[in-house]
Amino acid sequence: AQSVAQPEDQVNVAEGNPLTVKCTYSVSGNPYLFWYVQYPNRGLQFLLKYITGDNLVKGSYGFEAEFNKSQTSFHLKKPSALVSDSALYFCAVRNTGGFKTIFGAGTRLFVKA
Amino acid sequence: EADIYQTPRYLVIGTGKKITLECSQTMGHDKMYWYQQDPGMELHLIHYSYGVNSTEKGDLSSESTVSRIRTEHFPLTLESARPSHTSQYLCASSASGTSGKYEQYFGPGTRLTVT
Repeated sequence: AQSVAQPEDQVNVAEGNPLTVKCTYSVSGNPYLFWYVQYPNRGLQFLLKYITGDNLVKGSYGFEAEFNKSQTSFHLKKPSALVSDSALYFCAVRNTGGFKTIFGAGTRLFVKA
Repeated sequence: EADIYQTPRYLVIGTGKKITLECSQTMGHDKMYWYQQDPGMELHLIHYSYGVNSTEKGDLSSESTVSRIRTEHFPLTLESARPSHTSQYLCASSASGTSGKYEQYFGPGTRLTVT
């Protein structure tokens, strides 16, 4: 069965510092991995994905994520956080032969000025 | 910005009323989804569709129904609203897998309150 774990309910970081939001997954076969962001009172926005190829993928707003197959992780990173990055972040996984995408429980990111 | 629309954005309705939440997308996506999300919490898939005339129930038991008569339109209906239905409902769509684009695009959501 597919599953996604986001071990931190909340991440706090100072503006200008690097940020990491963690995600681990479990899926049979090769995974498709995604990060989405949700701002208050809005739907989710797609940030980036890993399908195949380079383990480091870059996405919107300066975010990037690294696929680590041995650790079954797909952590979201940004070199320098902005206050405007404060939002709810969801990691998601789908296996290559499947249809349904499983979302993690979400991690709330607070960036303090 | 994704071209997926939901109406109404906010709805307050009394118990027992029938309601339909509208969702439309202009991207020609085959797949569409309905999720239920309490504010700031995880998403629960309640319905999905592979294409026209194809709908399936998701992981979360729901008293709602859906239809997919046109590719672009995926309405969700509650025959008799109850306070337990109070939540946010998110509609999403994604392209066919052959396009290589597996990500979902979400509408802005409908915040439903049943009194």
